[in-house]
Amino acid sequence: AQSVSQHNHHVILSEAASLELGCNYSYGGTVNLFWYVQYPGQHLQLLLKYFSGDPLVKGIKGFEAEFIKSKFSFNLRKPSVQWSDTAEYFCAVNRRTGTASKLTFGTGTRLQVTL
Amino acid sequence: EPEVTQTPSHQVTQMGQEVILRCVPISNHLYFYWYRQILGQKVEFLVSFYNNEISEKSEIFDDQFSVERPDGSNFTLKIRSTKLEDSAMYFCASSGLSDVRGYTFGSGTRLTVV
Repeated sequence: AQSVSQHNHHVILSEAASLELGCNYSYGGTVNLFWYVQYPGQHLQLLLKYFSGDPLVKGIKGFEAEFIKSKFSFNLRKPSVQWSDTAEYFCAVNRRTGTASKLTFGTGTRLQVTL
Repeated sequence: EPEVTQTPSHQVTQMGQEVILRCVPISNHLYFYWYRQILGQKVEFLVSFYNNEISEKSEIFDDQFSVERPDGSNFTLKIRSTKLEDSAMYFCASSGLSDVRGYTFGSGTRLTVV
């Protein structure tokens, strides 16, 4: 069964600091990878996704993530965080079958950005 | 941008009562999902639905749960006899036939069982 690990449970950063959130997955086959963000009281929103091609993926709001196949990792980065980035961030994976399949989520990382 | 709509946004129910959570997926999507998030925990898969039948379900989705697409637009999750531990945020999601475009989530229904 596939699983997703997010080792950082709670991260506190000052505004303008750089961000890197770890995500590792375990699955023997080919996967699609996602990062979702959940602002307080809101639903999950897609930040970025990786299916194939360039392993460095750029998403919305200045976020990017790098797929490193040898490390089974898909870490999320942002060079300079803003107070408005305060949210919960979820990494997710599904099997690449060509048709839709369920997402498996990590436990999430709560990011708190201070002024 | 098309949206997945969920109603109600918050439902309070007494233990043992039946609840129905409603979702209107994106109209040209073919796969439908329910996920739940217990407060402070991760988002967990419950069930996926395709071609008018369940395509996959998790261990959480026991006999107390059922899903239905009664009229071609709504997608419902029914919990027959709610328990305190069913209190959670329930998210509906939908996707197209291919996984390329990803998934669209609704804003969720917060279910509180008292």
